[in-house]
Amino acid sequence: KAGVTQTPRYLIKTRGQQVTLSCSPISGHRSVSWYQQTPGQGLQFLFEYFSETQRNKGNFPGRFSGRQFSNSRSEMNVSTLELGDSALYLCASSLDGFIDTQYFGPGTRLTVL
Amino acid sequence: GDSVTQMEGPVTLSEEAFLTINCTYTATGYPSLFWYVQYPGEGLQLLLKATKADDKGSNKGFEATYRKETTSFHLEKGSVQVSDSAVYFCALSGNTGNQFYFGTGTSLTVIP
Repeated sequence: KAGVTQTPRYLIKTRGQQVTLSCSPISGHRSVSWYQQTPGQGLQFLFEYFSETQRNKGNFPGRFSGRQFSNSRSEMNVSTLELGDSALYLCASSLDGFIDTQYFGPGTRLTVL
Repeated sequence: GDSVTQMEGPVTLSEEAFLTINCTYTATGYPSLFWYVQYPGEGLQLLLKATKADDKGSNKGFEATYRKETTSFHLEKGSVQVSDSAVYFCALSGNTGNQFYFGTGTSLTVIP
């Protein structure tokens, strides 16, 4: 069974730009969650999507948004990039949310210059 | 709110040494508890989990017991190997299933 895939693996952007990251969950998984990982803040929960609806949300500004498609693939968008948005963005999928085991992708490394 | 507090790193051990990484939590109700491992350049992998008090999760020689009385879920391994070098994260899922919290991670280096 294929694992969680994330594209692209690396991105370099400049301040003020916007970026879209993509996540393909394990086949059959309906829940997709996004996390930001930085050396200073560790792993922080961004949001969770289930059946195309945002079900849970962490404490991030509105510049961070996402969506989920009918095939459960998910995208995350960050608008008006700031230097502090430089991080590893991890996507995880599970059958039905946080009660189930979450399977993580390798992440997208975003660098904002 | 719910949170996880994890032992600060980095931790350096010799091969075959005993490992303990402390993890305590704050949560209402009865959360599920997890240990994830992140190898260099990779995403997180579930190492083990426990869903109720006194449950013991185990995998690859690692163990952790869900202790409600001490709100702890310490990770242990009797004899570490060089291949265990990684960052270990303790995590909890609240009993409402709407949030997932990670500890700050503990970096482990095992030297031959």
